[in-house]
Amino acid sequence: KAGVTQTPRYLIKTRGQQVTLSCSPISGHRSVSWYQQTPGQGLQFLFEYFSETQRNKGNFPGRFSGRQFSNSRSEMNVSTLELGDSALYLCASSFLGLAGGLTDTQYFGPGTRLTVL
Amino acid sequence: GIQVEQSPPDLILQEGANSTLRCNFSDSVNNLQWFHQNPWGQLINLFYIPSGTKQNGRLSATTVATERYSLLYISSSQTTDSGVYFCAVLPSNDYKLSFGAGTTVTVRA
Repeated sequence: KAGVTQTPRYLIKTRGQQVTLSCSPISGHRSVSWYQQTPGQGLQFLFEYFSETQRNKGNFPGRFSGRQFSNSRSEMNVSTLELGDSALYLCASSFLGLAGGLTDTQYFGPGTRLTVL
Repeated sequence: GIQVEQSPPDLILQEGANSTLRCNFSDSVNNLQWFHQNPWGQLINLFYIPSGTKQNGRLSATTVATERYSLLYISSSQTTDSGVYFCAVLPSNDYKLSFGAGTTVTVRA
């Protein structure tokens, strides 16, 4: 079974631009969650999508948004990029997701390393 | 929100040594996982262990949910064990996976 894939792997943007990152979950998984990793703040939860619906959102500004398609692939968009958005963005997939009292193993992709200049 | 504390923050080992990493959490959880982050940034699943004990080769983990801690044991460490180990928990009353700050392990030959 193929693992979680993320594209692109590396990205360089300038302040004020926007960016879209893509995540393809493991086949059969319905949940995709996104995380930001920075040296200062560590790993932080951005949001989770399950069957095309956003189920939960972390404490990030509205510039961070996402969506999920009917094939469970997910995209994350960051508008009006700031220097502080430079980070490793990770997505994870699972069958049951993070809500409802039943949870299971989260499988992570290799990440997209975003640099904002 | 839930607090997740990992200790020690850094660990330097001689190859062949054993070690214990600890994860304390401040509230009840539905999910606890241990990950190893490789030098390229990918988080590799080690254990899904909301309670009980599991073993996989030289690694084992124990979670005592009632006392709100989990331990990861590395036995006969190898240089390939180097990296950052994260504990992540899903609180029972929230649906956001929360990570500890990690333990950086360096195994010297």
